[in-house]
Amino acid sequence: AQSVTQLDSQVPVFEEAPVELRCNYSSSVSVYLFWYVQYPNQGLQLLLKYLSGSTLVKGINGFEAEFNKSQTSFHLRKPSVHISDTAEYFCAVSEHNQGGKLIFGQGTELSVKP
Amino acid sequence: DGGITQSPKYLFRKEGQNVTLSCEQNLNHDAMYWYRQDPGQGLRLIYYSQIVNDFQKGDIAEGYSVSREKKESFPLTVTSAQKNPTAFYLCASSTQNTGADTQYFGPGTRLTVL
Repeated sequence: AQSVTQLDSQVPVFEEAPVELRCNYSSSVSVYLFWYVQYPNQGLQLLLKYLSGSTLVKGINGFEAEFNKSQTSFHLRKPSVHISDTAEYFCAVSEHNQGGKLIFGQGTELSVKP
Repeated sequence: DGGITQSPKYLFRKEGQNVTLSCEQNLNHDAMYWYRQDPGQGLRLIYYSQIVNDFQKGDIAEGYSVSREKKESFPLTVTSAQKNPTAFYLCASSTQNTGADTQYFGPGTRLTVL
C-alpha cells in the first residue's frame, strides 16, 4: 500500500535562508506527486506537482521540487525564504490508474523567523 | 469568482446530534472529496464522488454520510456514530478523478463537540 512520510514535523529557519522540506513515499506502481501549502485556518493550495517528464518541477512562490525515483523522494526547496512562507506544507501522492485518491503526509510546519 | 465554499466556518455539536457540513463549488468539476484533518496526522479521506448520484467510501467513512444530488454540491453529515468528530473538515474538487488532477480546496469547517 502506498504511504507518504514527511521526515520533519517542524522546520525553523531564518528569513532569506534556504530551506528543504523532505518527503519520501512508498508505492509498488508509478505515482503522481504533489506539494500543497496550508496557511493557518485555511484550505490547501497547490504549490507544484510532478506528473511526468523533467524531474525538476517549479511551482509558485519560488518553490521547486525534484523527483528522485530511485530514492522514492520528492523534496521541496526554496533558495531564500520570506516571513510570508510560514505555513504548513503537505506532500501527497496518487497512484497511476487508481482513481484520484490522494495520500497525504503528516505535514511539515515551516516557521520563518526574522 | 470561481471556487469552493464551505459553511459554516465554525460548528459546535452536542454529543448525540447529527450535523451537516455544506460544500458548494462553481468550478464545474465532476469529482468532489471530503477530508478530515487532525493535528500531526495530515489529511484523511472520508468520502469522494466522481459523478452525480455516485460516491465511494474513503479510508475513514465510519460515522459519516454524504449525498451528491447536484454536481455543485456535496454535503457531509457527521452522525452520532462518529465517536471522535472534533476536527477540521476540508472539502475539495477536481475536474476528473484520474489522480493527475489538481484538487482545489475550500476554506474548511472546524467542528467541535461539546
